[in-house]
Amino acid sequence: EVQLVQSGAEVKKPGESLKISCKTSGYTFTNYWIAWVRQMPGKGLEWMGSMDPSDSDTRYSPSFQGQVIISADKSISTAYLQWTSLKASDTAMYYCARLSPRYFDLWGRGTLVTVSS
Amino acid sequence: SYVLTQPPSVSVAPGQTARITCGGNNIGSKSVHWYQQKPGQAPLLVVYDDVARPSGIPERFSGSNSGSTATLTITRVEAGDDADYYCQLWQNSDHPWVFGGGTKLTVL
Repeated sequence: EVQLVQSGAEVKKPGESLKISCKTSGYTFTNYWIAWVRQMPGKGLEWMGSMDPSDSDTRYSPSFQGQVIISADKSISTAYLQWTSLKASDTAMYYCARLSPRYFDLWGRGTLVTVSS
Repeated sequence: SYVLTQPPSVSVAPGQTARITCGGNNIGSKSVHWYQQKPGQAPLLVVYDDVARPSGIPERFSGSNSGSTATLTITRVEAGDDADYYCQLWQNSDHPWVFGGGTKLTVL
């Protein structure tokens, strides 16, 4: 069974760093791009960025370029989304999704990130 | 970047047909994909490449795309179809993957 299992909910303070994960299984990790999608409370879906795990080629939405870092560890079929300095406005649900390649065919359940002082 | 426009809400009675539109400049020349998101759940792909359905998606869900509008059609609507629906496409630009703003389908 193909699965994307995301790490658990996080509560952080402004200025703190964070790295959330998306562990995949059931398919060849390097055959599909992985994307991250943000959903702020009560709002729609926003594409943040995507990575080709085979060569680490990464594309960022202009809105998120410089704000987050997408990475992957091929040895454990896991993708990551990282912040170096969180802001309250980063409070949202974050989804990882497999790209096929122009649409998102499988999604993780999401990681809720709450940033509050 | 490319803008996809969806109506904020659509309401339909059970058993009737719901049509959710997604507007964009010459969208008919692109492939459009649709997702269903129920409260507290991750999005689920329901239509891809304008008209194709992933395995397990009922035939009641269908798509079309022409001119400036793509449409997701749900026939014989059920209470379980009550959800948010998002259209999405890919384009060769600095913002390749684009989502519409979403439409809340309410089953009356």
